[in-house]
Amino acid sequence: DTVLTQSPALAVSPGERVSISCRASEGVNSYMHWYQQKPGQQPKLLIYKASNLASGVPARFSGSGSGTDFTLTIDPVEADDTATYFCQQSWNDPRTFGGGTKLELK
Amino acid sequence: EVQLVESGGGLVQPGASLKLSCVASGFTFSDYWMSWVRQTPGKTMEWIGDIKYDGSYTNYAPSLKNRFTISRDNAKSTLYLQMSNVRSEDTATYYCTRVSPGRTFDYWGQGVMVTVSS
Repeated sequence: DTVLTQSPALAVSPGERVSISCRASEGVNSYMHWYQQKPGQQPKLLIYKASNLASGVPARFSGSGSGTDFTLTIDPVEADDTATYFCQQSWNDPRTFGGGTKLELK
Repeated sequence: EVQLVESGGGLVQPGASLKLSCVASGFTFSDYWMSWVRQTPGKTMEWIGDIKYDGSYTNYAPSLKNRFTISRDNAKSTLYLQMSNVRSEDTATYYCTRVSPGRTFDYWGQGVMVTVSS
C-alpha cells in the first residue's frame, strides 16, 4: 500500500502562512487530494489533484506538488482554520490517507 | 444541495453482521461511483471500497474484501455496506462518500458510529 506521511501537528498565528506537507512512499502522479476535518464534523474536500481548488473553498487555500511530495498552503491563516488536514492519494489501489496534521492557532 | 445520510450503526457483538445504509439526495445518484470510508477512534482514515454507478463493479481494500460487501439501489438512491463477522478493530465512524472524477471523495455524509464489543 502507498503510505502517506504527514507531520502530526503545527501551531501558527492568525495572519501567517502555513504549509502542510505530505510525502508518499511511491509516486502518485498528481492524484493527491486534501481534506479539512473540524472536530465533530465530516471531512470536507479542499484540494483535488494536487492543485485544484474544490468548489466553495476560499482562495487562501492552495496545493502543489507531484510524484511523491505535496504541500497544502494556507495564506493567510484564519482562526476558523483550526482543524485536522488529511492528504489522500487515488493513483494506487488501495486508496490511502495520511495520518492527518492538526493545525492549532496560537 | 448534495446530502448523504447514513444510518444503521450502533453496538454490535463480535462475529455478528450489520448493514449500513446511505440515502443520497441533491444529485443524480445513478451517475456517480460511491464509496465507503471509515475513521477509527484514533482518527485513522481507511478506504473500504467503492461501487460503479450502475452497480456492476465493486472494488475493495484487500484487507476488508472478504467480510464487507458494498451494494446500491439506484431506484432508492441508496448505498449499502454489509459487514459480516465484525471484529473489535471494525469499531469506527463509517462515512458514505461520493466519488468524483479523479477518484476524489467530493462529498461526505455525517457518518455513523459502529462499536464492536461484547
